[in-house]
Amino acid sequence: DGGITQSPKYLFRKEGQNVTLSCEQNLNHDAMYWYRQDPGQGLRLIYYSQIVNDFQKGDIAEGYSVSREKKESFPLTVTSAQKNPTAFYLCASSWTEEAFFGQGTRLTVV
Amino acid sequence: RKEVEQDPGPFNVPEGATVAFNCTYSNSASQSFFWYRQDCRKEPKLLMSVYSSGNEDGRFTAQLNRASQYISLLIRDSKLSDSATYLCVVNLNSASKIIFGSGTRLSIRP
Repeated sequence: DGGITQSPKYLFRKEGQNVTLSCEQNLNHDAMYWYRQDPGQGLRLIYYSQIVNDFQKGDIAEGYSVSREKKESFPLTVTSAQKNPTAFYLCASSWTEEAFFGQGTRLTVV
Repeated sequence: RKEVEQDPGPFNVPEGATVAFNCTYSNSASQSFFWYRQDCRKEPKLLMSVYSSGNEDGRFTAQLNRASQYISLLIRDSKLSDSATYLCVVNLNSASKIIFGSGTRLSIRP
């Protein structure tokens, strides 16, 4: 089945540690996205990539980094510079118009 | 000004009622428009696309007004299962950038 896979579903991180969230898609989509969602809030764009080896900052990129070495993969690293990383992280991909989402990763800083 | 703005609600309406949401967008170059539905603690899923000519799918009708830069969603004969958050989505196709509104929470009561 084609789709987007995010892993892990739940992630716990100690303060001061970097952590990487995985996002893989087998839909052959060029564009991929990372969003952050806080409780009761909408989705805010962190980074997006239109093509391999290229990505753009979204509205809240500070404290995050990404790479796009393969079309299928768009991992997100939450660095220690991100002051409030506890949130629901959603990865999406798109071919032309609509976005398809993974099931999300819930990151909690302990 | 936010790129996509929605009334956060919550809208609390009785079963069987008709309810409408509006969403405004700031970038006149926006090319594609969608409504997504998000259930609690789940990823957003596409509800319907919004075309210039309007789009109807059963009890749901979406409309686009490019001149005034807003889109709308009308739900007729609302069901308990319609309770969710509805997200307005705009795609700047030229930049492959997909922007979400903050969502409108809908609660249908028996």
